[in-house]
Amino acid sequence: GAGVSQSPSNKVTEKGKDVELRCDPISGHTALYWYRQSLGQGLEFLIYFQGNSAPDKSGLPSDRFSAERTGGSVSTLTIQRTQQEDSAVYLCASSHGGGKAGELFFGEGSRLTVL
Amino acid sequence: KQEVTQIPAALSVPEGENLVLNCSFTDSAIYNLQWFRQDPGKGLTSLLLIQSSQREQTSGRLNASLDKSSGRSTLYIAASQPGDSATYLCAVGTASKLTFGTGTRLQVTL
Repeated sequence: GAGVSQSPSNKVTEKGKDVELRCDPISGHTALYWYRQSLGQGLEFLIYFQGNSAPDKSGLPSDRFSAERTGGSVSTLTIQRTQQEDSAVYLCASSHGGGKAGELFFGEGSRLTVL
Repeated sequence: KQEVTQIPAALSVPEGENLVLNCSFTDSAIYNLQWFRQDPGKGLTSLLLIQSSQREQTSGRLNASLDKSSGRSTLYIAASQPGDSATYLCAVGTASKLTFGTGTRLQVTL
């Protein structure tokens, strides 16, 4: 596609349920990033993929969070046993560069609300 | 740990004014610096990317400068327009990620 695509755009879930968020990067971009933006807060780095591997997952806040990337393309961020503090906008970005954070292009985000 | 600070946090100017947004970072070992704008409820739009070896980049009415040794960048917006109203984010790039500031919320009034 022309840009980074994320789905769903909005997700409302009950505390304790699992959620999956999907990111389709720009075609040919080898690097993929997940960030989280909580209300009134800055962007918080979660994980970085280069191809299918994740050299930097230092930002994942707990072991309830996991992410995978398959075929060097689509990525899924999974949050298990969601908590209210997980409510945020989850943003995905992709970049052509590898090994260095090149110019990042962001999707519109997935807004997660945990009741 | 890299920390990025943006000043001011909010700014309101009348249409037509030139303005400067400031960004500072604590660790000068960066690969690049990127400026974004974010409209309410939307994702981030890339405005300018400055590589660590560069001192400035220009795109239309926007000019961004980088002084890596002092840990500073500025975004200059010429002849501001109401459509420039948004939050402007600065981010510094290292090996694996961008570290973001908390942004400057800009309002350009008629």
